[in-house]
Amino acid sequence: EPEVTQTPSHQVTQMGQEVILRCVPISNHLYFYWYRQILGQKVEFLVSFYNNEISEKSEIFDDQFSVERPDGSNFTLKIRSTKLEDSAMYFCASTGGQYQETQYFGPGTRLLVL
Amino acid sequence: AQSVTQPDIHITVSEGASLELRCNYSYGATPYLFWYVQSPGQGLQLLLKYFSGDTLVQGIKGFEAEFKRSQSSFNLRKPSVHWSDAAEYFCAVAPGVGTYKYIFGTGTRLKVLA
Repeated sequence: EPEVTQTPSHQVTQMGQEVILRCVPISNHLYFYWYRQILGQKVEFLVSFYNNEISEKSEIFDDQFSVERPDGSNFTLKIRSTKLEDSAMYFCASTGGQYQETQYFGPGTRLLVL
Repeated sequence: AQSVTQPDIHITVSEGASLELRCNYSYGATPYLFWYVQSPGQGLQLLLKYFSGDTLVQGIKGFEAEFKRSQSSFNLRKPSVHWSDAAEYFCAVAPGVGTYKYIFGTGTRLKVLA
């Protein structure tokens, strides 16, 4: 069964450093998403992406964040200058349709900012 | 504001006992409803979803959920819990046309006693 994959599974970085989290969505999917889950808190929407542009973003997704689909398979989330509060689990998701279509989630990348 | 409430942060049941996890949403229209499960160190796995039609939906691993419009609820049930069901369970809603994001509840952590 096709699945969403994410790399790395864990990343530790120093505050102020740039990180890139990578995702490979399901191959025929067109809509891509990033969510994050701070430890002990709910999963929160960050951004959705379609046709090489951002469709929607939350207030969390400020200028420090960016997303890109650099090639036909990868979908990346970049945090330009990490803060302590960026420490969280980051989930990528994809769907073949829009709106209410079922989103399929990857296993997540746990980011720890020191 | 749109919200999803899972009133039980932790639930402990004995193996073989029945289970009900509660989920209430606050939204003007009937959203699309999902239950996901997250095992330790794992990503979010879809258990079941409700889009329309029969208000009792069946999912994987023997789970079912019932949509009750009058109560704005979508409670998850299982008649007989197995030790492997120990995990965190998230209710999520997709509010509808015009937005791509899911809104998640805070999750319910299930512990199963042998």
